[in-house]
Amino acid sequence: SAVISQKPSRDICQRGTSLTIQCQVDSQVTMMFWYRQQPGQSLTLIATANQGSEATYESGFVIDKFPISRPNLTFSTLTVSNMSPEDSSIYLCSSHPGDTEAFFGQGTRLTVV
Amino acid sequence: GESVGLHLPTLSVQEGDNSIINCAYSNSASDYFIWYKQESGKGPQFIIDIRSNMDKRQGQRVTVLLNKTVKHLSLQIAATQPGDSAVYFCAAAMDSSYKLIFGSGTRLLVRP
Repeated sequence: SAVISQKPSRDICQRGTSLTIQCQVDSQVTMMFWYRQQPGQSLTLIATANQGSEATYESGFVIDKFPISRPNLTFSTLTVSNMSPEDSSIYLCSSHPGDTEAFFGQGTRLTVV
Repeated sequence: GESVGLHLPTLSVQEGDNSIINCAYSNSASDYFIWYKQESGKGPQFIIDIRSNMDKRQGQRVTVLLNKTVKHLSLQIAATQPGDSAVYFCAAAMDSSYKLIFGSGTRLLVRP
């Protein structure tokens, strides 16, 4: 198993600003992923955070809006840039520690006002 | 592409009864499936998974059934308890990628 810590756990931000969310895993993992969960909805994959290379983004998500860093095998950040109220969501990171199920952090609840 | 859907948005059951939550997927190349439980204000919590070379897998009070012919899976919870009240998501992936495509979620309500 893996323990995943995210911070901040929640934030209220002004539109036009940016927020960086941190994700720390308690063991080295090859794959880390970032998901968005809009209010009352399911999870949508934003991107795969690759260690040592650029993140791989899913359709509808772009690097300029959601830049991702993956400096090592235990840590990743997601930045939500130039925020608007439509970016209000829960942002979750997950990892696969080897050939096992994905574990999730508690999420970051973002409200843009 | 892949889409994963659920048949019922809300399921209400009597405490002690069995619960069955259903899920359909569209991509026949999906070979790894997971059920997650999400309580309010928390991240998804792993319940049980199954790979495509299996039809059934059992855990503690939970069973997942996979029917590859009709691209359907279900989660059965035995003797449902109030603590089982949550939103349940199925997710599918092609094993090589581990990228999970989530269903829309079913809210399970347990009546005392």
